[in-house]
Amino acid sequence: EPEVTQTPSHQVTQMGQEVILRCVPISNHLYFYWYRQILGQKVEFLVSFYNNEISEKSEIFDDQFSVERPDGSNFTLKIRSTKLEDSAMYFCASGTGLEKLFFGSGTQLSVL
Amino acid sequence: QKEVEQDPGPLSVPEGAIVSLNCTYSNSAFQYFMWYRQYSRKGPELLMYTYSSGNKEDGRFTAQVDKSSKYISLFIRDSQPSDSATYLCAMRGNDYKLSFGAGTTVTVRA
Repeated sequence: EPEVTQTPSHQVTQMGQEVILRCVPISNHLYFYWYRQILGQKVEFLVSFYNNEISEKSEIFDDQFSVERPDGSNFTLKIRSTKLEDSAMYFCASGTGLEKLFFGSGTQLSVL
Repeated sequence: QKEVEQDPGPLSVPEGAIVSLNCTYSNSAFQYFMWYRQYSRKGPELLMYTYSSGNKEDGRFTAQVDKSSKYISLFIRDSQPSDSATYLCAMRGNDYKLSFGAGTTVTVRA
């Protein structure tokens, strides 16, 4: 069964460093998303991406964040200068339309 | 008032019991309603998807949406220990953003 793949599963970084989280969405999907979940809190929307551009973003997704689909298969989230409060599980998701989202297993980001 | 409210539980039931989960919401623009299952340190897995009001059944799972009351439910019949997980409700309107509930942790005791 096709699935959304995320790498790495764990990422540890120093505050102020740049990180790139990688995702391979399901191959025929057109809508791509990043969500995050801080430990013990709700899953929160960060950004949606369709037709090679950001379609919607939350207030969390400030200038420190960017997304890119560098080729036909990868979808990346970059955090330019990480803060302690960026520590969370980051989930990539994809869908053929807006109805059903399929999530990856996540990247646990720890900012020290 | 929170946009989506969900009792975090925990909920513990014996094997074979019916599990009843629910969420309330405040945004009348929500039209698409989903239930996800999440195991510890894993991504949410889509269980049920419903558009607008009504019932939907899939095997042991039944999802209900009452838009007039802004209330959605998920029922799990003949619960199994493998159903032990956190169940998340999620919903959205005509935009891209899914709004999640806090999740209810369910334990099914053998």
